[in-house]
Amino acid sequence: NAGVTQTPKFQVLKTGQSMTLQCAQDMNHEYMSWYRQDPGMGLRLIHYSVGAGITDQGEVPNGYNVSRSTTEDFPLRLLSAAPSQTSVYFCASSRVGLAGRRDIQYFGAGTRLSVL
Amino acid sequence: KNEVEQSPQNLTAQEGEFITINCSYSVGISALHWLQQHPGGGIVSLFMLSSGKKKHGRLIATINIQEKHSSLHITASHPRDSAVYICAVRYDDMRFGAGTRLTVKP
Repeated sequence: NAGVTQTPKFQVLKTGQSMTLQCAQDMNHEYMSWYRQDPGMGLRLIHYSVGAGITDQGEVPNGYNVSRSTTEDFPLRLLSAAPSQTSVYFCASSRVGLAGRRDIQYFGAGTRLSVL
Repeated sequence: KNEVEQSPQNLTAQEGEFITINCSYSVGISALHWLQQHPGGGIVSLFMLSSGKKKHGRLIATINIQEKHSSLHITASHPRDSAVYICAVRYDDMRFGAGTRLTVKP
C-alpha cells in the first residue's frame, strides 16, 4: 500500500516556467488537498477536492490550478512560476465519513520547489 | 493574529523528561489534529480528536473545547521524538499552527 505518492521530490524552475506537481493516492480517499509550507508560517491550504470533478480554493490559491478527473489523482499546476512560489509542497488525502466529517490526513513526502 | 497558536516555538529536553506542547485556537472547530514532521520532512498524523483525551504509546493528546485549547504530552521522552509537532484545526478547511520544534538530548 503506497499511500500518498508525490512527484517530483525536488524541482528547480526559472521564473515564468510552468510545471505540474503530481499527487496520487491508492486508499480510495474522497478528500485530497495541496498545502505549501514556508518557514515560520505553518502549512497553508492551496486547493482541495472532495471528490472527482469537484475542486475548491483554499487560503492561498493564486498562481495555482488543480483538477480532479479521477479519485486517485490530484495534480497541482503552476501556470507561470514566480520566486514567491518557492516552498515545500505537500499533498494529503483523507476519508470522508458520516456528515462530511474528514478523517485523519495522510501526507505525501513533499516536493521542494525553488523558483529562480 | 494566527487562528492557531502553538507554544513553545522551540523546546529542548533531556531524555526521559515529560514534554508538554500547547495549542490554542480562536474559532469553533469540528476536530483538532496533532501532526509530527520528521527531520527529513515527512508528516505523520498522530491524533485527531474532538473531545476529551486520546493516548497512543507514550503520546497523550487532550482537548478542552470550551477553552479552545489542546495539549500534546510525551512521557519518557527519547531522542527519536525529536521532530516538529504541528497542531491543526478543522472547521471549513484546515488551519495549521507554525509548529513546535522539539529536540530531545540523550
